Amino acid sequence: GDSVTQMEGPVTLSEEAFLTINCTYTATGYPSLFWYVQYPGEGLQLLLKATKADDKGSNKGFEATYRKETTSFHLEKGSVQVSDSAVYFCALIQGAQKLVFGQGTRLTINP
Amino acid sequence: DTGVSQDPRHKITKRGQNVTFRCDPISEHNRLYWYRQTLGQGPEFLTYFQNEAQLEKSRLLSDRFSAERPKGSFSTLEIQRTEQGDSAMYLCASRAGTNLPGELFFGEGSRLTVL
Repeated sequence: GDSVTQMEGPVTLSEEAFLTINCTYTATGYPSLFWYVQYPGEGLQLLLKATKADDKGSNKGFEATYRKETTSFHLEKGSVQVSDSAVYFCALIQGAQKLVFGQGTRLTINP
Repeated sequence: DTGVSQDPRHKITKRGQNVTFRCDPISEHNRLYWYRQTLGQGPEFLTYFQNEAQLEKSRLLSDRFSAERPKGSFSTLEIQRTEQGDSAMYLCASRAGTNLPGELFFGEGSRLTVL
């Protein structure tokens, strides 16, 4: 079945560092891809999305490009802030109604 | 606050007891979802409603689990004869028909601890 694999966490960076969180997927067709974020004490929030190959999703300085050839959707940000500390989930959906999530990557940004 | 609301936020129960969680979606959202999240894992789909109709159920939803959305507004998730393996965060999410299928609005979750 469909699945999502994220890089192992936790990830700890200093403020203003460059961030990459890797995400690869397995799907038989052409899924839509998402990044969700969970800030401490809050519910999951949609961060960005891409619905077809080569689409780039972006929001709050974060970007991810849908790469069909490598089945990847890596999350990047050029300069992270302490407020970006959260758990990040990569997810896909294809046809049916259920989102399939990766296991999450905990990110901590130190001042 | 007009977001997705879940109640209770925390529930501690003894094995074998029944528990019920309630979800109030965003008012104009006709699609409602339940997910389960265990520690260190991503959410796993349990079930999906469109209005009052339950259209999809995961194999994770054993016979001890039942979900309803009687009037197409709020939803309840009941777990009967709870087991320690049921300990998890139960997440509710909703979306409007105009959102993409993966564009969900999540509540803060109901954490269940089974002793």
